[in-house]
Amino acid sequence: SQTIHQWPATLVQPVGSPLSLECTVEGTSNPNLYWYRQAAGRGLQLLFYSVGIGQISSEVPQNLSASRPQDRQFILSSKKLLLSDSGFYLCAWSGSFNYGYTFGSGTRLTVV
Amino acid sequence: GQQVMQIPQYQHVQEGEDFTTYCNSSTTLSNIQWYKQRPGGHPVFLIQLVKSGEVKKQKRLTFQFGEAKKNSSLHITATQTTDVGTYFCAGQDDMRFGAGTRLTVKP
Repeated sequence: SQTIHQWPATLVQPVGSPLSLECTVEGTSNPNLYWYRQAAGRGLQLLFYSVGIGQISSEVPQNLSASRPQDRQFILSSKKLLLSDSGFYLCAWSGSFNYGYTFGSGTRLTVV
Repeated sequence: GQQVMQIPQYQHVQEGEDFTTYCNSSTTLSNIQWYKQRPGGHPVFLIQLVKSGEVKKQKRLTFQFGEAKKNSSLHITATQTTDVGTYFCAGQDDMRFGAGTRLTVKP
C-alpha cells in the first residue's frame, strides 16, 4: 500500500532563518506531488506541484522554493523565512490509479 | 482560470439536524472531489464524482454532481458530533480547493 511521510510535525523558526520540509511517498512510482499551505482557519493554497524528477511548477510567487531530487521525494525550502510564512504545510500525492489527493499529516510552521 | 467557490463558510447545527455544503465552479469540471479535515488534522479524501448528474451515498452522506458539471453538493443527514470538521471540494483539473465549509455540531 502507498504511504506518505511528512516531517517535522511542528516547527518554530525565527524570522530570517532557512527552512527545509521533506515529504516522501512509498509504495508507488512516478507520483504527482504537491505542496499546499493552509493559514489558520482558511482554505488550501497550492504552492508547488511536480509531475516528475526535477520538474517543478510554482503557483504563487513567494519566499519559498521546491525541489524533487528523487522520484518519491519532495522538498519545500526557504532561504530566509518571513512572518507571513507561518502556516500549516501539507504535502500530497496523486497517481493514475488512485482517486484524489492523499495528504501527509502536515507541518505546523510558526515563524517568530 | 478555474475557480471553485464553496458556501457557506461556516455552519453550526444542532446534533440531529441536516447539513449541506455547496460547491460552484466557473467552468465545467472533469470531476469533483470532496475531502474532510478534522480539527487539527489533514484533509482526507471522501469521494470523487465524474458523471453529469451523478449521485453517490456514503452512509449519512450524499454527494451530487450537477448536470452541467459546474456544481456539486454534500449533504449530511442527521449530523453527529463525529461529523465536525471542514469539508472541502476540489476540482482536480487545476488542483485547486474550495475555501471549505467549517461544520460545528452542538450535542
